[in-house]
Amino acid sequence: EAQVTQNPRYLITVTGKKLTVTCSQNMNHEYMSWYRQDPGLGLRQIYYSMNVEVTDKGDVPEGYKVSRKEKRNFPLILESPSPNQTSLYFCASSLQAGTYYEQYFGPGTRLTVT
Amino acid sequence: DAKTTQPPSMDCAEGRAANLPCNHSTISGNEYVYWYRQIHSQGPQYIIHGLKNNETNEMASLIITEDRKSSTLILPHATLRDTAVYYCIVRVGAAGNKLTFGGGTRVLVKP
Repeated sequence: EAQVTQNPRYLITVTGKKLTVTCSQNMNHEYMSWYRQDPGLGLRQIYYSMNVEVTDKGDVPEGYKVSRKEKRNFPLILESPSPNQTSLYFCASSLQAGTYYEQYFGPGTRLTVT
Repeated sequence: DAKTTQPPSMDCAEGRAANLPCNHSTISGNEYVYWYRQIHSQGPQYIIHGLKNNETNEMASLIITEDRKSSTLILPHATLRDTAVYYCIVRVGAAGNKLTFGGGTRVLVKP
């Protein structure tokens, strides 16, 4: 089944403790992206990747890192999480960048930083 | 990307057609109309997109007015599982793949 998977689905952590949220897609998509969703602010893009080893900042990249060593994986790294990063996170992928291909979203990761 | 306006909420009877309007009066010639939906806190799901012709797929139909200033998403036979927030997005195909979701329409399908 074609899908985007994220792990963990739920995470409660403390300020400053490094964490990684994994994202994997099995559709051989070139484009992958991370979003965060907060009440009243909608969906905001954090980072995106046009292809392997090509990543770029989205609208709210501060406090996050990403890497794209393989086509299928696009982990989101929070080196020193803070309470303002408490949010619902979505990974998404698309066949190619720069065109009108639809995006496929993962199930989401609900992160709470205390 | 052009701004879109959608009603904040609407109810629909199960088994009936749900017609979701979207206004995008500032749309430019190379911008597409996309529809996504999000069922409570799940990942958004692509529904359909179009440029100027009406489109239909297994999920829905998209009707775009001739002047392209508005469109309607039609769910032909709404089910309880169609209860979700529906987002109308207008964007240029070559603008990268970032999606910007507005407020959307919260659709409640009632038995």
